Amino acid sequence: ILNVEQSPQSLHVQEGDSTNFTCSFPSSNFYALHWYRWETAKSPEALFVMTLNGDEKKKGRISATLNTKEGYSYLYIKGSQPEDSATYLCALLTGNQFYFGTGTSLTVIP
Amino acid sequence: GAGVSQSPSNKVTEKGKDVELRCDPISGHTALYWYRQRLGQGLEFLIYFQGNSAPDKSGLPSDRFSAERTGESVSTLTIQRTQQEDSAVYLCASSWGTGLAGELFFGPGTRLTVL
Repeated sequence: ILNVEQSPQSLHVQEGDSTNFTCSFPSSNFYALHWYRWETAKSPEALFVMTLNGDEKKKGRISATLNTKEGYSYLYIKGSQPEDSATYLCALLTGNQFYFGTGTSLTVIP
Repeated sequence: GAGVSQSPSNKVTEKGKDVELRCDPISGHTALYWYRQRLGQGLEFLIYFQGNSAPDKSGLPSDRFSAERTGESVSTLTIQRTQQEDSAVYLCASSWGTGLAGELFFGPGTRLTVL
């Protein structure tokens, strides 16, 4: 079992604030790192699939970076909106298994 | 196209009863995963199917849990003699296969409550 850690566990920000959170993972046996957004009463949806050290991905106001050598990934949200409220999960793919973190719960206050 | 579907969406059962949960993956997806999330915990891997290969059952918590998949289509997760600690949201996910582009497509989940 691999330990994938996410911090903070929860976060409350004001609308318009930018925020970021962290996913830490063992750097050995790395294959890919996934980010998912899980909104209440919906299914988790993929945000990014990252594979290369130094990868930077962007989708609208959300972006992510990856450092496989030191074993972390950051997710950034610029100008948070209420619709960004969700739990953000990272998952380490190694072999054929995904190891999920416990998530960061983001609440954006209007 | 249609996404991953799961049924039932909610299931309330009494301790000791058997339950069967169903997952219909996206057509053409060779990989299928079952996860569960118990209250206050992260996603816990249960079992993985890839094509016609033997499934990876390493995450099944006890021999009360079993799962089957028919070819590359429907999968059923069966829990026998349910216990209260089995209460959780059970999520199914499918993908084109493990690999660099193998993002997971999740179903809406089945919320299981064991009384």
